[in-house]
Amino acid sequence: GESVGLHLPTLSVQEGDNSIINCAYSNSASDYFIWYKQESGKGPQFIIDIRSNMDKRQGQRVTVLLNKTVKHLSLQIAATQPGDSAVYFCAENRGTSYGKLTFGQGTILTVHP
Amino acid sequence: NAGVTQTPKFRILKIGQSMTLQCAQDMNHNYMYWYRQDPGMGLKLIYYSVGAGITDKGEVPNGYNVSRSTTEDFPLRLELAAPSQTSVYFCASSYGDSNNEQFFGPGTRLTVL
Repeated sequence: GESVGLHLPTLSVQEGDNSIINCAYSNSASDYFIWYKQESGKGPQFIIDIRSNMDKRQGQRVTVLLNKTVKHLSLQIAATQPGDSAVYFCAENRGTSYGKLTFGQGTILTVHP
Repeated sequence: NAGVTQTPKFRILKIGQSMTLQCAQDMNHNYMYWYRQDPGMGLKLIYYSVGAGITDKGEVPNGYNVSRSTTEDFPLRLELAAPSQTSVYFCASSYGDSNNEQFFGPGTRLTVL
C-alpha cells in the first residue's frame, strides 16, 4: 500500500555507537535490495546492496542483513560518526526486468558528537 | 566523469506554464530514471528508459512526458504545471539488470505557484 504523509522514523545516537536502521518490505518476489543515504539537499548515494540469495553482506563500517522469512532488511553502521547523519532509504527491485526500484519511506539518523 | 547532471537546480513556475528538466549522464549507462520526492517521503518513479528510443511509465507518470533520443540525455517535460507537481526531481542512471546500482543527480527543486 502507499505511505500517506507520515513523519519519517528517526534514530538518534551518540558518536561511536553502533546504529541499526530497519526496513520492512512487502513483496516476496523482490530479489534485490539497496540502501541509500541522502544528505540534506543532495541526491541519494549508494551505500550497500544485497541479493535475495544472501542473508548478510558487509561493507566498510556497514552491514546489511536480509531476513526473507519476515521480509525484513536492516542496515548496521558501526562506530557511527557525525558525517553519517542523513536520511537512509531502503529500496527493492520487485522482480521486474528493467531495474526499477521501489523506495521505502526513509529513516532520519542523527549522530550527536 | 561528471556522473549525472541536472539543470536547473531551482525553478519557480506559474500554474499552466511548461518547462523541461534536463538530465545527462556520461557513464554510458543504458538505464535512466526520473523520480520525484515530496517532503518527508521516499522517491517515486515517474518514467524510466532502458535505452535510446525506449521509455516507459513508472508509478506516477501523469502530467509528465519524457524522451530518450540519445544514451546520454533524458529530459523530463511538464506541459501544464500544477501545484501538485511542486517537488524535488531526481534523475538517475544505471548500467542495467545485472548491476542495478543507480547513480543519482543533485536534483531540481521545482515550485509551482
